[in-house]
Amino acid sequence: TQLLEQSPQFLSIQEGENLTVYCNSSSVFSSLQWYRQEPGEGPVLLVTVVTGGEVKKLKRLTFQFGDARKDSSLHITAAQPGDTGLYLCAGPADKLIFGTGTRLQVFP
Amino acid sequence: GAVVSQHPSWVICKSGTSVKIECRSLDFQATTMFWYRQFPKQSLMLMATSNEGSKATYEQGVEKDKFLINHASLTLSTLTVTSAHPEDSSFYICSASQGGGEKLFFGSGTQLSVL
Repeated sequence: TQLLEQSPQFLSIQEGENLTVYCNSSSVFSSLQWYRQEPGEGPVLLVTVVTGGEVKKLKRLTFQFGDARKDSSLHITAAQPGDTGLYLCAGPADKLIFGTGTRLQVFP
Repeated sequence: GAVVSQHPSWVICKSGTSVKIECRSLDFQATTMFWYRQFPKQSLMLMATSNEGSKATYEQGVEKDKFLINHASLTLSTLTVTSAHPEDSSFYICSASQGGGEKLFFGSGTQLSVL
């Protein structure tokens, strides 16, 4: 069974701060996805990373896939209250197993 | 983009009754659908994989007689929680795939509360 451990589990920061969320596994993934979920809604796909060492940027969000394709990170620059939510890594694309989740709270 | 409709968005039922949740792919044919449950402040846990025209594959620890899944057409999968109990109260989410390792599209979820 492929498991995805995320850290930290909870993160509470002030607006303008930077943060990094980590997603780790002992298994190799063909691809990893990052989602953001708000209460009472389904998760929304942010990005898919496929190649080891790949870096993708989405405005203030930077996603990296580890060289060995066992881990990934999400870095948010200058966090805003609108970034508040549950961030989930997941993989592989054809049968998503979700990570343990990181709940982010950004205070104004 | 592809749309997955999940209905109802919330349901309250009495203990012992059964509840059916529908998941429809509105503008594409979904060869595979997935059902997840999510407890408060936790991540999504995969319950089962549903393939059109065949029996669902359940994840370890998920009771197949408790959570009945039917994927009778390429656009509809249903999850029936039978003889629901308060511990079944949870947020249930479906997702659908067109197959071939393509991205999944998620429904908006169903909040089930069993009294």
